[in-house]
Amino acid sequence: GIQVEQSPPDLILQEGANSTLRCNFSDSVNNLQWFHQNPWGQLINLFYIPSGTKQNGRLSATTVATERYSLLYISSSQTTDSGVYFCAVGDLTQGGSEKLVFGKGTKLTVNP
Amino acid sequence: ETGVTQTPRHLVMGMTNKKSLKCEQHLGHNAMYWYKQSAKKPLELMFVYSLEERVENNSVPSRFSPECPNSSHLFLHLHTLQPEDSALYLCASSQVPSSFSYNEQFFGPGTRLTVL
Repeated sequence: GIQVEQSPPDLILQEGANSTLRCNFSDSVNNLQWFHQNPWGQLINLFYIPSGTKQNGRLSATTVATERYSLLYISSSQTTDSGVYFCAVGDLTQGGSEKLVFGKGTKLTVNP
Repeated sequence: ETGVTQTPRHLVMGMTNKKSLKCEQHLGHNAMYWYKQSAKKPLELMFVYSLEERVENNSVPSRFSPECPNSSHLFLHLHTLQPEDSALYLCASSQVPSSFSYNEQFFGPGTRLTVL
């Protein structure tokens, strides 16, 4: 099955700093999502971005499907951005449906 | 209620208990999923129901039994669990054109399960 690697595993920032999170995947994909998991476990959808570039406020994402990677940019970070960021890609299951395959995540800590 | 809801949010059970987790989606989607997130493993898929039909059982032990009575509700029935089954169980939903494709998935807040 497809492999998803995220880097860095941990990131500590001062409030106001910018950061880039990376997601590499081992095969071509038609679907890719970025999530933020808050301290209570809730997965919050950030982007559905199988290709191209999207922006939402201080966050933006770019997926280069031909080179098998995606980047999540966080600008002017705030303490509320802390949490774990997951990249997930769609992969075919044995039953023929698609499932999300998750990376191990990047744990972001933003200090005041 | 909006989005995807899950109850209970926390559950503590003994190994001989029987309990059920409930998921409800208010998004009009036609596919629902159970995922497991444990401390030592990445998030992993357990079951997929698409158009109310189970289309995937990702080698999950039989002590976990899913049920999807309609496109808005999904249950996970638990019996004789082991302490290593303690984890965060997440439900998700999406709108798929057919049983063999997927679109953006939306997740519920999860049930944090502890097995004593």
